Amino acid sequence: KNEVEQSPQNLTAQEGEFITINCSYSVGISALHWLQQHPGGGIVSLFMLSSGKKKHGRLIATINIQEKHSSLHITASHPRDSAVYICAANYGGSQGNLIFGKGTKLSVKP
Amino acid sequence: GAVVSQHPSWVICKSGTSVKIECRSLDFQATTMFWYRQFPKQSLMLMATSNEGSKATYEQGVEKDKFLINHASLTLSTLTVTSAHPEDSSFYICSARVAGAAYEQYFGPGTRLTVT
Repeated sequence: KNEVEQSPQNLTAQEGEFITINCSYSVGISALHWLQQHPGGGIVSLFMLSSGKKKHGRLIATINIQEKHSSLHITASHPRDSAVYICAANYGGSQGNLIFGKGTKLSVKP
Repeated sequence: GAVVSQHPSWVICKSGTSVKIECRSLDFQATTMFWYRQFPKQSLMLMATSNEGSKATYEQGVEKDKFLINHASLTLSTLTVTSAHPEDSSFYICSARVAGAAYEQYFGPGTRLTVT
């Protein structure tokens, strides 16, 4: 069964801390997405990656194909980073359907 | 680049009326668009897959006559919730897959529907 596991489920950090959110998946993915969902519900596509590492501002996403694991890092965290972070794996197929993790709720305290 | 928009961002309608939600890929062509629904404190659930110029494929348990999907162009898909009821109140999200790319897709910001 194709699954996506995220950890931790909830994370509280102090402003400025380095944050890591983890995502594990089954074999055979085509790509992995990291999404950010704000308290109001809006979703932002952060990264899509199939190998290596991507960086955008204070956000870094890495993926290790052999270990079937991806991480999302936030450097110098800020209260505005408070959101739910979701990883989603694309297991391919004709429709390219995604399997979503349950999300990590991040709260950054000032 | 790779921006997907949705309109409206939120809508309130009365029970029994219909509501149309638009999903647009602003700077790329999308042969496939996906529609998701998210209930409070739950993950996104795929409702249907929309391919340009053909009928949508609905997931099990999703009523195709209630959730009408039209994907008439490479940049626009619409979801119409017909005869809406309070239990249809949810957050509806679309994503668009880049034409020619097997797995490159981007998400819209979502539309919050409240049926009174």
